Amino acid sequence: DSGVTQTPKHLITATGQRVTLRCSPRSGDLSVYWYQQSLDQGLQFLIQYYNGEERAKGNILERFSAQQFPDLHSELNLSSLELGDSALYFCASTRGLAGSTDTQYFGPGTRLTVL
Amino acid sequence: QQQVKQSPQSLIVQKGGISIINCAYENTAFDYFPWYQQFPGKGPALLIAIRPDVSEKKEGRFTISFNKSAKQFSLHIMDSQPGDSATYFCAASGTGTGNQFYFGTGTSLTVIP
Repeated sequence: DSGVTQTPKHLITATGQRVTLRCSPRSGDLSVYWYQQSLDQGLQFLIQYYNGEERAKGNILERFSAQQFPDLHSELNLSSLELGDSALYFCASTRGLAGSTDTQYFGPGTRLTVL
Repeated sequence: QQQVKQSPQSLIVQKGGISIINCAYENTAFDYFPWYQQFPGKGPALLIAIRPDVSEKKEGRFTISFNKSAKQFSLHIMDSQPGDSATYFCAASGTGTGNQFYFGTGTSLTVIP
């Protein structure tokens, strides 16, 4: 158990809908990263927050947005869902920023299926 | 542009054999190189990591070899076991690299009994 929690574990929805994925980082970790992993694909970095502020952006679609709250949990919002958005979405956390002595610890993921 | 290039994409090894996965990078600002192991339906889990001030790090059956001049690092799994069958990702990060971890594309390892 990495200490990172993600809810829900599974999510099934229809095209055009909007969903929210939730992540709670390890105790004491200030950074949260979101990744998308499609079938047989690697980890695609989406976005990173550090202590409530956006710090890095990857290949995140405009239909997607995220935020980190004062209690450090984070939410990833996916809207106008398309079939191609079906994937595993992972959250990871670190104590500080990338490049520090800490590494990323990943949550168990949320499997999103868009029908 | 792929910041970290990983090979092979898939690997089949006999039980007891050595599994070797290679990664290469270009950005000399990287100074931390972790390897992750991922089982189907699970999140990646840190396996072993190295910093460029050492050329090798060993933890049990897992060894990272690091070649700073060639900008390459590799994971060796000695005495591979069926339970090692998983996808392995290399990654890199560093101060001043945009607050990101850059991942390789993954290697699917199958260890045949």
